[in-house]
Parts: sequence; C-alpha cells; structure tokens
Amino acid sequence: DAGVIQSPRHEVTEMGQEVTLRCKPISGHDYLFWYRQTMMRGLELLIYFNNNVPIDDSGMPEDRFSAKMPNASFSTLKIQPSEPRDSAVYFCASSGAYRDTEAFFGQGTRLTVV
Amino acid sequence: KQEVTQIPAALSVPEGENLVLNCSFTDSAIYNLQWFRQDPGKGLTSLLLIQSSQREQTSGRLNASLDKSSGRSTLYIAASQPGDSATYLCAVRRTGGGNKLTFGTGTQLKVEL
Repeated sequence: DAGVIQSPRHEVTEMGQEVTLRCKPISGHDYLFWYRQTMMRGLELLIYFNNNVPIDDSGMPEDRFSAKMPNASFSTLKIQPSEPRDSAVYFCASSGAYRDTEAFFGQGTRLTVV
Repeated sequence: KQEVTQIPAALSVPEGENLVLNCSFTDSAIYNLQWFRQDPGKGLTSLLLIQSSQREQTSGRLNASLDKSSGRSTLYIAASQPGDSATYLCAVRRTGGGNKLTFGTGTQLKVEL
C-alpha cells in the first residue's frame, strides 16, 4: 500500500477563499483522523471518523471548518472562508479496526493563508 | 483532560551515545501509547506501539518502556547516529476516549558527528 495520501502538499491562498484538503487512507483502515500542527499548539486532533461516520468533531475550531468522508477511500477537510490564523500543517492519519493498531500519517498539507 | 508532556524539548548529543527521551501523561487510564518520529517538513513515522498491559517494546536500536501507574514512558535509543536526528513525539490513546491520540509536545533530537 502507498500509505496515507494527502493532496495538495502545499497550498497558498488568500484570506476569504475556500480551501479543500484531501486524504486517501490506507485501504482497509476503518478510522480516519484529521490533525493540525502549529508551532504554538503542537498536534491537535480536529475530527475523526469510524467507518465513514464522524465520531468526534470537538476539535474543529469553528463553523468555518467542515469535514466529510463520502466513502472508505476518501475524505476532505474544508475551510470556508479561510483566515491567516488557519495557516498550519494539516495531517490525515488512518488506523485499523481496533484501538490496539498503529496510526499511520500522511505527509501533510502545508497551508498558508495570506 | 489528558495532558502529555515531553522533556527535554530539545537534546543534542554526540554520535554513539545512548539516550533516553521522556514522556509523561496526566491520566493513567490509557489504552496504549505510540512513539513517532517526524523529520523536518515530513509526516509522522510510527516507531513503536506499546499496549497498556506491556512494560516494554523493542524495535532494532529502539526500546520503549511504559509505567502506566506513574504516567510515564521512555524511549531509549542505543548507539545514536546522525540519521536519528528528528523530532520524537509520544501519543496516548485514553481508555474510554474513543480511538483518538493525544500528542505530547515533542523532543527535538540532534545527533552530531
């Protein structure tokens, strides 16, 4: 398997624009996670899905953020409208059916909002 | 709320040294703990997963220990090499906390020639 695949790797956008980040989890994994990493706050969980259903979205910072998982092989994280403080590296991760399995991370999307 | 702390925040050692990275968590009711490394500009690479029922887990030159009751884990790196230079992160999965990982603040390691 190619691992968790995220796109784009880098995104530069103007404040107010809509941004969509994409993730393809490892085939067969039941859990998908979206994390955000900043220097100030480290790695924060935004939302996670189990079998395509959102389980915990308590980390989503505002209504401007939304995430979907229409099928087992694809998820999106959308920010609308984007703001400079959203600039960060966004990671997608996936793991198997049981909590005793490892989580595997994608390479991340570096988002810069100017 | 689970809080995970890693000390030191940064560490610089000469090549060949054995070293220990520390991870502390406030809530001992954990399901397991996972150690990752992150190279600059890259994603996280899983190193070791240690279950709450285990005391140690080994992979090559790496050994992770877990003392759940005291809320501590250590990552031991034997015979360090410049290629080990990276940021090391620990993350805990809390019992009753679903499947989410709470990450520590990380230790930035530099191994010098």
